[in-house]
Amino acid sequence: DAMVIQNPRYQVTQFGKPVTLSCSQTLNHNVMYWYQQKSSQAPKLLFHYYDKDFNNEADTPDNFQSRRPNTSFCFLDIRSPGLGDAAMYLCATSRDDTVWLAGGYSYNEQFFGPGTRLTVL
Amino acid sequence: AQSVTQPDIHITVSEGASLELRCNYSYGATPYLFWYVQSPGQGLQLLLKYFSGDTLVQGIKGFEAEFKRSQSSFNLRKPSVHWSDAAEYFCAVGAPDNTDKLIFGTGTRLQVFP
Repeated sequence: DAMVIQNPRYQVTQFGKPVTLSCSQTLNHNVMYWYQQKSSQAPKLLFHYYDKDFNNEADTPDNFQSRRPNTSFCFLDIRSPGLGDAAMYLCATSRDDTVWLAGGYSYNEQFFGPGTRLTVL
Repeated sequence: AQSVTQPDIHITVSEGASLELRCNYSYGATPYLFWYVQSPGQGLQLLLKYFSGDTLVQGIKGFEAEFKRSQSSFNLRKPSVHWSDAAEYFCAVGAPDNTDKLIFGTGTRLQVFP
């Protein structure tokens, strides 16, 4: 089945030790997203790739970086994790030609992976 | 700025009972509205969406939602809840010109008792 895969599902790192989270997809979607979801909070978009074009949210800390070496893979790098970075990290994908709606707008349904829960010690 | 409020953090219902989860949004025009479900250990799954037209939308798993412009609400309903519906439910809003950015509510955790 086509799907969004995140590895690892659980990641433990030490304060200040760089960590990389992985996302891969078999949907051949051209858009990939990274969300951060802290406990009891809403998922918050960190950044997304439109093909190879990187789009960073204005309030995403510099500590968070991303790489997309090809269509299938996208990585989230946290350069110096702090205790406040402990969260569930969700990857999602979409295709930019999914549905065209009235007014000329398009809608791209996002398909989510199961997430990686990051613990920072 | 867009925002979404889910006033109920935690709801408990008995199996077979009806369910309504509340969602209120703030947006200058008619937004795109979504409900997602997140089962334990799983990613978010889209239940239903509203763009325009009929204000009552049907989704998967027997869920429906009604858009009420006058109340800025998009409440999720199900007439008879099953134990497998226990999960976290998120309402989200997207701007028509930027559906790449979804603004999520903080979620409502649904617990179902047999």
